[in-house]
Amino acid sequence: DVKVTQSSRYLVKRTGEKVFLECVQDMDHENMFWYRQDPGLGLRLIYFSYDVKMKEKGDIPEGYSVSREKKERFSLILESASTNQTSMYLCASGGGTDLNTIYFGEGSWLTVV
Amino acid sequence: DAKTTQPPSMDCAEGRAANLPCNHSTISGNEYVYWYRQIHSQGPQYIIHGLKNNETNEMASLIITEDRKSSTLILPHATLRDTAVYYCIVRAVYNFNKFYFGSGTKLNVKP
Repeated sequence: DVKVTQSSRYLVKRTGEKVFLECVQDMDHENMFWYRQDPGLGLRLIYFSYDVKMKEKGDIPEGYSVSREKKERFSLILESASTNQTSMYLCASGGGTDLNTIYFGEGSWLTVV
Repeated sequence: DAKTTQPPSMDCAEGRAANLPCNHSTISGNEYVYWYRQIHSQGPQYIIHGLKNNETNEMASLIITEDRKSSTLILPHATLRDTAVYYCIVRAVYNFNKFYFGSGTKLNVKP
C-alpha cells in the first residue's frame, strides 16, 4: 500500500513563527503536492513538485514556500505564520507505475494564534 | 477540466447498497472520472477511477454512462464506517496536478 506520512498531526504556532510541515512518501513517486482544506472552500493546491528540486506554484502559493531535496520528502514552509493560515494541510503523492492517481496523507491541523 | 455536480447529502441504511450519483456533462474524451472519500478529520482516500468502461475493485464499483456525462459510485454493502464525504472528480490525463475537489456528497450510513 502507498504510504504518505505527514510529520505532525496537530500543531499550534504563534503569529510570525516559521513553520515547517514535512511529508514523506514510500512509493518512489515523482510528483508530490501540498493542499490546504478549509470549510466551504474545499481543497486548494498550494504547490506541487514533479521532481527533486523542481516546484510549481498551485492556486494559492502566497505566504508559502516548499523544498524538495530528496525524492521521497516534500516540505511546506510558512515563513511567517499568520492567523489566516490556520487550516488543515494535506500532502499527496503520485506517479511511478501508477500515473493516474494521487494518494493523500492523514493531514496536519495547524492553528496559528 | 470538466466540472462535476453531486447532491450535497444522502442517507443509506447499513447493509444496503449506496449509489452516489455524479453529473459531468462537459467531460471531454481524455478526462477520467475519479472518486475519493474523506472520513472526518482524515485525508482523502482514493476509491476508484475510470475512463469509459465500468470498473470494480474491492471497495466499490464505478458505472459510467455510455455518453460519459454522468457516473455512479456503488458501495455494495454500506457499513457505518462508510460514512464520509464522497468526491467525484474529472481530470484530463495530461493534467496530473489538476485534482479539483468540489463540495462532494456527505453519505450518512444509518443503523
